[in-house]
Amino acid sequence: DSGVTQTPKHLITATGQRVTLRCSPRSGDLSVYWYQQSLDQGLQFLIQYYNGEERAKGNILERFSAQQFPDLHSELNLSSLELGDSALYFCASSVGGTTNTGELFFGEGSRLTVL
Amino acid sequence: AQKITQTQPGMFVQEKEAVTLDCTYDTSDPSYGLFWYKQPSSGEMIFLIYQGSYDQQNATEGRYSLNFQKARKSANLVISASQLGDSAMYFCAMREPGGQNFVFGPGTRLSVLP
Repeated sequence: DSGVTQTPKHLITATGQRVTLRCSPRSGDLSVYWYQQSLDQGLQFLIQYYNGEERAKGNILERFSAQQFPDLHSELNLSSLELGDSALYFCASSVGGTTNTGELFFGEGSRLTVL
Repeated sequence: AQKITQTQPGMFVQEKEAVTLDCTYDTSDPSYGLFWYKQPSSGEMIFLIYQGSYDQQNATEGRYSLNFQKARKSANLVISASQLGDSAMYFCAMREPGGQNFVFGPGTRLSVLP
């Protein structure tokens, strides 16, 4: 158990809909990352938050948005869903900080299927 | 520019044999961390091993060892005595302290044959 909790684990929805994925980082971790992994693909970095503020943005679509709340949990919002958005979405956390080179701890992922 | 390169999309190894998964990286930062993660078919990401750029010794964790060649910017994962349960995708990753994210390579799919 990595200590990172993601909900829901599985989600099936229709095109055009909106979903919210939730992530609770490990206790004490300030940094949260979101990754998208399409079928048999690598991990695509979406966005990173550190202590409530956006730190870095990757190839995140405009239809997607995220935030990190004061209690450090994070949500990834996906709207106007398309078939191609079907993927495994990972949240990961770490202590964070500019000098940290430590590992990321991953949640089990949220598997989104868009029909 | 690609920061992490894994040139082997797929690898096969016989059970009980050793296997090396290649990883090269690109950074101009003197301080960085290198990681390997395993992703079995069930989907979870499992941290295997870490090597810091200033570490003098190659990292080892049980059957996993990291062959760190700093001058060549290479961080190959060696799995000794392969087991059927080692069949999975393996991702090499790098973290730079001043960097904005944690960069993953494209992965290598390892299949262990009985």
